[in-house]
Amino acid sequence: QKEVEQDPGPLSVPEGAIVSLNCTYSNSAFQYFMWYRQYSRKGPELLMYTYSSGNKEDGRFTAQVDKSSKYISLFIRDSQPSDSATYLCAMSYITGNQFYFGTGTSLTVIP
Amino acid sequence: GAVVSQHPSRVICKSGTSVKIECRSLDFQATTMFWYRQFPKQSLMLMATSNEGSKATYEQGVEKDKFLINHASLTLSTLTVTSAHPEDSSFYICSAADTSSYEQYFGPGTRLTVT
Repeated sequence: QKEVEQDPGPLSVPEGAIVSLNCTYSNSAFQYFMWYRQYSRKGPELLMYTYSSGNKEDGRFTAQVDKSSKYISLFIRDSQPSDSATYLCAMSYITGNQFYFGTGTSLTVIP
Repeated sequence: GAVVSQHPSRVICKSGTSVKIECRSLDFQATTMFWYRQFPKQSLMLMATSNEGSKATYEQGVEKDKFLINHASLTLSTLTVTSAHPEDSSFYICSAADTSSYEQYFGPGTRLTVT
C-alpha cells in the first residue's frame, strides 16, 4: 500500500464550479499536510499547508485535514481556467523532512 | 516566498556523457535539499536527500554512483547524471528545506533528454 493515495483523474469541470480534490494516507504519524499546484513542465508551487487537523482558507482555496479518517481535501471555489493544472498533495512527519507525495490529480477548468 | 533556482532548465546530451544540474536557494539557507525525478503524468519520485557537508542519502533503487550529489554549501546542491542513457531522460526537480520552517521550496525543474 502506498503511503499516500490520490486519484489521478483527469478531472474536468466548467468554469465557476466547485472542485474537490482528495488524498488518503496510511501513516497516522504525518503531521504536516500540503497542497501543491504544478503547471505543465514547471516545478510545484505551494498552495496551502495545514498542521494537524482542521480547516484553512485562503481566498478561493480551502484545505481540510481529518486525521481520524486519514483524509485530506482541497476545495477550489469559483474555479477558473487558470486553475487548470496538476494538484499534488504532500505530507511529512516533521518540519523540513522528507515529503510523501500523492500521484497528483490533473484538473481542467473549461471556459 | 523563498526562491529556488535550477540550472540548466533544459539540456540535451548524447548517450554516455555526464550532465550536471545545479540547485540554488537564492534567499535562504538550506541545510537539506531533495532531488526528485518526474516522468510524464506521474508524481514526484524522491531520489535522494542531501544534507550540507555530508553524504547524500539515496532512496532504494537509485544508483548512487550514477546520480552523484554534492551539497557543498548551504545554498547549492548539484546532481550529476553520469554516463547518461536514454532511460535517464526525465524531469529532475530539486527542493530546498528552509531550516526555520516546515516548508520545502521547489525549483522550476530541469528537463533532461538523452539521445
